[in-house]
Amino acid sequence: EVKLLESGGGMVQPGGSLRLSCAASGFTFSSFAMTWVRQAPGKGLAWVSTLSGSGGSTYYADSVKGRFTISRDNSKNTVYLQMSSLRAEDTAVYYCARDVNGGYWGQGTLVTVSS
Amino acid sequence: DIQMTQSPSSLSASVGDRVTITCRASQGIRNDLGWYQQKPGKAPKRLIYAASSLQSGVPSRFSGSGSGTEFTLTISSLQPEDFATYYCLQHDSYPITFGQGTRLEIK
Repeated sequence: EVKLLESGGGMVQPGGSLRLSCAASGFTFSSFAMTWVRQAPGKGLAWVSTLSGSGGSTYYADSVKGRFTISRDNSKNTVYLQMSSLRAEDTAVYYCARDVNGGYWGQGTLVTVSS
Repeated sequence: DIQMTQSPSSLSASVGDRVTITCRASQGIRNDLGWYQQKPGKAPKRLIYAASSLQSGVPSRFSGSGSGTEFTLTISSLQPEDFATYYCLQHDSYPITFGQGTRLEIK
């Protein structure tokens, strides 16, 4: 059974940093790209970033480029999202998903950016 | 960037109704489109991939069609558990983009 479990969310002040983790199980992790998607309160889904299975290719939404970094540790079956220079508009539930087209999703972790 | 225009933004329907939701892409995306269902407080769930392939475990009353720039999600006979928000997603090129969502409510 495919499982994705996000962690690392919380409240942070504007300008601060946070690292999200997504632990995967139930599939050959290194064979799949991994994606982060977010959802601001009461809003729709927004793609954030995708990382290839090997880790060699990364893609970012313009809204986070230069501030967020996606990475993975295939020995730990975990993908990360390092978020820095956080803004109020980054407040959202962050989901990790398997592959670029989201066949499986985690339950999400809430990030709140507020002073 | 490819824009995904989803319609309608909201829809009221009754149990047993046939419902169709449409997504139009601003340029051709072949069949690189998925449909997702999201219930309040829950993660999205993929219903359809590659525009028309039914995700394993999803009831057959859900179907998808289309290619290029116009796509549809059809629910043949609404069940009480189908009242939710639905999104399309294109993954033909980066940035990946979602439709703005369709909220399906009980009439």
